[in-house]
Amino acid sequence: QVQLQESGPGLVKPSETLSLTCAVSGYSISSGYYWGWIRQLPGKGLEWIGSIYHNGHTYSNPSVKSRVTLSVDTSKNQFSLKLTSVTAADTAVYYCARSRSSTVGQFAPWGQGNLVTVSS
Amino acid sequence: DIQMTQSPSSLSASVGDRVTITCQASQDISNYLNWYQQKPGKAPRLLIYGASNLETGVPSRFSGTGSGTDFTFTISSLQPEDIATYYCQQYDLLPPWTFGQGTKVEI
Repeated sequence: QVQLQESGPGLVKPSETLSLTCAVSGYSISSGYYWGWIRQLPGKGLEWIGSIYHNGHTYSNPSVKSRVTLSVDTSKNQFSLKLTSVTAADTAVYYCARSRSSTVGQFAPWGQGNLVTVSS
Repeated sequence: DIQMTQSPSSLSASVGDRVTITCQASQDISNYLNWYQQKPGKAPRLLIYGASNLETGVPSRFSGTGSGTDFTFTISSLQPEDIATYYCQQYDLLPPWTFGQGTKVEI
């Protein structure tokens, strides 16, 4: 069964770049599906950030599009998120997820989440 | 962006009760609607996709209906392990894909 695991620093300084990686096991990224990032602000709801296909095609949320870079490393079977110029408003639990099928907007399964705090 | 409005924001029910949550989209999204369950400290789990299709392994007491702008999620007989927050999410043709604000279900 496919499993996803986020990794990255738990603390990022304001104005710096948040970098997270999602390692995938039990499925080869190059076999297909979209791979996405969703975040959950403290005590609040969920916000889709962006999704990437194994060939590098991406969709991004306009709310963060100018600051987001998504990438895929098929050799390591992982994909990554970079978010530049972070502020306290970017403090959240960041989840990675696979699309359930060829439909990019269905998310299953999810990683366990990585709390990222933006603070000096 | 398409706004998703869930109601109620929280509810309290007894074991065995029928629980219903509604989700309204700000524009027609056909049946491009998912429901997720999130338990405390855990990642969301997809329960229903395409408004009414039960994800593999999900108990049959969970169901979803609706199309267009109005959708309903039902737990036919609430169980203690169903205590969680439930989110709807639309995946219309173009992003961004957006979530409702969540409904916290308590016993």
